[in-house]
Amino acid sequence: AQTVTQSQPEMSVQEAETVTLSCTYDTSESDYYLFWYKQPPSRQMILVIRQEAYKQQNATENRFSVNFQKAAKSFSLKISDSQLGDAAMYFCALASGSARQLTFGSGTQLTVLP
Amino acid sequence: NAGVTQTPKFQVLKTGQSMTLQCAQDMNHEYMSWYRQDPGMGLRLIHYSVGAGITDQGEVPNGYNVSRSTTEDFPLRLLSAAPSQTSVYFCASSYGVGTSRYEQYFGPGTRLTVT
Repeated sequence: AQTVTQSQPEMSVQEAETVTLSCTYDTSESDYYLFWYKQPPSRQMILVIRQEAYKQQNATENRFSVNFQKAAKSFSLKISDSQLGDAAMYFCALASGSARQLTFGSGTQLTVLP
Repeated sequence: NAGVTQTPKFQVLKTGQSMTLQCAQDMNHEYMSWYRQDPGMGLRLIHYSVGAGITDQGEVPNGYNVSRSTTEDFPLRLLSAAPSQTSVYFCASSYGVGTSRYEQYFGPGTRLTVT
C-alpha cells in the first residue's frame, strides 16, 4: 500500500512572499510519479506540477517548484511571489506501478494575505 | 474539447434512494476513475476502468456500482443511498500510454447530500 502525508492542515503567506508546503510519501514501487494539485473554492482539481521519480532534477512551472528528496521520500512545493489567486487547498498525490490510481494526502489550505 | 464533464453538479437524495452520477470525456482516454472527497481526508478512489468493458474496485467501493460500455462514459451508481455517502464526487480520466498515463484530468465534481 502507498501512503501520502501532508502534516500542515493550514498555511498562510503574505502576498509576494514565498511559502513551502510539505509532503511525505511511502511506496514500495521504484517507478512512481508525484503531483501537486490545487483546488480553489470552485472545487475544480487543477494540476500544478508533477515529478517523475526517475528524474533527479526538480520540476519547475513558473512560480511553482518542488524539492524532491527521493531518499527521504519527501516532496515539498514552493510557491514564489505568492498571489491572491494562489489561495486554495493543495493536495499532494502519488501514482505508482502498473495501476494509475492516485493516492492523495489530506490537503493543506493555503491563505494568501494582502 | 469539453474535457471531463459530470452531471448533476448538485444532488440531494433521501436515504434508500438510488441514482446515477454521469461522467463523460471527449479526449479518447482509456483510463477513467471515480473518487470521493470528504473533509480532512483528501480524495479516495471508488472504482476505476482501464478500458471499455473493464472495471475494478478502488479503496472504497462498497455501495457503488460502475460499468463502462463505451470509451467516453463511466457512470457511477448509488444502489441505496446512505448518509455516509454524503460527499463530493469527482470523475477523472487519463491517456493510456507513456509518461502521461499517470496525469489525470478531473471533472468539476458533484456535491451529493443524503438525508
